[in-house]
Amino acid sequence: QITLKESGPTLVKPTQTLTLTCTFSGFSLRTSGVGVGWIRQPPGKALEWLALISWDGDKHSSPSLKSRLTITSDISKTQAILTLTNMNPEDTATYYCAHFIVAAAFFDLWGQGALVTVSS
Amino acid sequence: QSALTQPASVSGSPGQSITISCTGTSSDVGHYNLVSWYQQHPNKAPKLLIYEVSERPSEVSTRFSGSKSGNTASLTISGLQAEDEGDYYCCSHAGSSISVVFGGGTKLTVL
Repeated sequence: QITLKESGPTLVKPTQTLTLTCTFSGFSLRTSGVGVGWIRQPPGKALEWLALISWDGDKHSSPSLKSRLTITSDISKTQAILTLTNMNPEDTATYYCAHFIVAAAFFDLWGQGALVTVSS
Repeated sequence: QSALTQPASVSGSPGQSITISCTGTSSDVGHYNLVSWYQQHPNKAPKLLIYEVSERPSEVSTRFSGSKSGNTASLTISGLQAEDEGDYYCCSHAGSSISVVFGGGTKLTVL
């Protein structure tokens, strides 16, 4: 059974760096054909794809946030870590991580989400 | 990489069928048969409904179906039920190896 859970701060100050961790079970980032993605959703707004990391180490980030985003995995390949620098109030959102099927480009299982508020 | 275009809202009565459109470009929806659809209820994580345009996970009701024509994908829900009320998002592969793009979301109201 695959599960994913996001963890990290609930409140960050403007200009700070956000680090979120997605801890998952039932697969690892050594499992061929899979990846982990990060998606966010500002309150009352649409989903926005942020970044993806795949089993073969390939990484991709949204062009609009590329300069601020980093996605990595831990050495055990059971966590995916998202870093977003220079946070501002517009980055207030629920951040989701999700299991990704690379060949078919879809997210089949999602974490519960973590609300991050940017405020001084 | 612009968001895919969806109608802001659709509505229907119980038992009716509705269709939600998702319009992209020849670089995403029109180029790849890699469109997926997600259902989201308030304060819940999205749930996969459809992948690869028209494939349905085994646990998803057969009332949900997907299709594509040109740069536009569609999600049809038949036999509307009250529990179908919520937000629906399309998503497409957008080239550049494994990047994806979401639609702006559609709010479904069951009258």
